[in-house]
Amino acid sequence: AQSVSQHNHHVILSEAASLELGCNYSYGGTVNLFWYVQYPGQHLQLLLKYFSGDPLVKGIKGFEAEFIKSKFSFNLRKPSVQWSDTAEYFCAVNSNRDDKIIFGKGTRLHILP
Amino acid sequence: DAGVIQSPRHEVTEMGQEVTLRCKPISGHDYLFWYRQTMMRGLELLIYFNNNVPIDDSGMPEDRFSAKMPNASFSTLKIQPSEPRDSAVYFCASSFQGPSGYTFGSGTRLTVV
Repeated sequence: AQSVSQHNHHVILSEAASLELGCNYSYGGTVNLFWYVQYPGQHLQLLLKYFSGDPLVKGIKGFEAEFIKSKFSFNLRKPSVQWSDTAEYFCAVNSNRDDKIIFGKGTRLHILP
Repeated sequence: DAGVIQSPRHEVTEMGQEVTLRCKPISGHDYLFWYRQTMMRGLELLIYFNNNVPIDDSGMPEDRFSAKMPNASFSTLKIQPSEPRDSAVYFCASSFQGPSGYTFGSGTRLTVV
């Protein structure tokens, strides 16, 4: 069964710092990969997704992620974070064998103004 | 479109009582997913439906949990009897033709005392 591991449970950064959140998945077959964001008190929203093609995926709000198949990784990046990026970020995976998405445990990002 | 609608937003109940959570998916979506979010376990998939038919209920924790989807516009998740360890935020999500475009509801925060 597929699983997702997010390395950092809690990250604190200052505004304008660069961000990289790690995500590794375990599944040997073809996968679709996602990053979701949950702002305080809100529901999950899709940031970006990778299904095929260019492994560097650009999403909303200046976020991007790179799929590295050999490392089973899909790290999320943003060159310069803002206070409004304070939220919880979830990496997720879907195998091409079924229709369910499995989520990692999330990374809480706190941006200091 | 109003998005995925969940009710109630908050539910406080006593141990042993029956709890029913409700979800209205986005019109036209053919997949519906129930997730549970806790600090310890993160986001867990409980069950999902395709065209109103349960496809995978392997995440349902115990027989106390049951879910139904009597028609394309309504689903329920029932816990009977409820226990304090069921306290969590329960999210419903819907999508069209698989995992590419999950839309989450705002969640129901359940507290069992």
